[in-house]
Amino acid sequence: NAGVTQTPKFQVLKTGQSMTLQCAQDMNHEYMSWYRQDPGMGLRLIHYSVGAGITDQGEVPNGYNVSRSTTEDFPLRLLSAAPSQTSVYFCASSYSNRGSQETQYFGPGTRLLVL
Amino acid sequence: AQSVTQLDSHVSVSEGTPVLLRCNYSSSYSPSLFWYVQHPNKGLQLLLKYTSAATLVKGINGFEAEFKKSETSFHLTKPSAHMSDAAEYFCVVRLSGGSYIPTFGRGTSLIVHP
Repeated sequence: NAGVTQTPKFQVLKTGQSMTLQCAQDMNHEYMSWYRQDPGMGLRLIHYSVGAGITDQGEVPNGYNVSRSTTEDFPLRLLSAAPSQTSVYFCASSYSNRGSQETQYFGPGTRLLVL
Repeated sequence: AQSVTQLDSHVSVSEGTPVLLRCNYSSSYSPSLFWYVQHPNKGLQLLLKYTSAATLVKGINGFEAEFKKSETSFHLTKPSAHMSDAAEYFCVVRLSGGSYIPTFGRGTSLIVHP
């Protein structure tokens, strides 16, 4: 199993540009989520999905869109990039979200720089 | 509501000495607690988790943590630090009742000196 994969590894954008961060998992996990990591802030939840066709907002959803058309894929879209979105983005998945004991599996991250 | 506080942003130890990374939580329900490790430029990896089966939890690479309900703590320890332990460590809480959305601490950077 490849686990959780993310592309690209690194991206530079100009203010106002849009882009999609890709996330895929091959573990048949129901629950997927996107986080951003900023220095001294830990990980903050952007959006999450409890299954194909179902998404919901996390702590910091503004400026981001998601969709979940398949179990495997959970892309994150930046609609109009801003310098405040410069961050490292992590995708994570777990078997379900129906129990607190579920372990999350993380991708390697995408480093985004917005100029 | 749930929250988690990692009491130290940085911990510095010498190789071969004990490691203590502190984590306090608050929650209205019985929590599940996790420690994740993040090596430089890598994703997060599970070290260990508490799920009410036993209060002393053993994880990978010689780490362990003890759940203390009376102190609302879940501190991470290791008897002898290794250079490869240098990383960022995150304490995470998830409630057993509710949305199960995890809450992350801000992280503790472990520095290991030779």
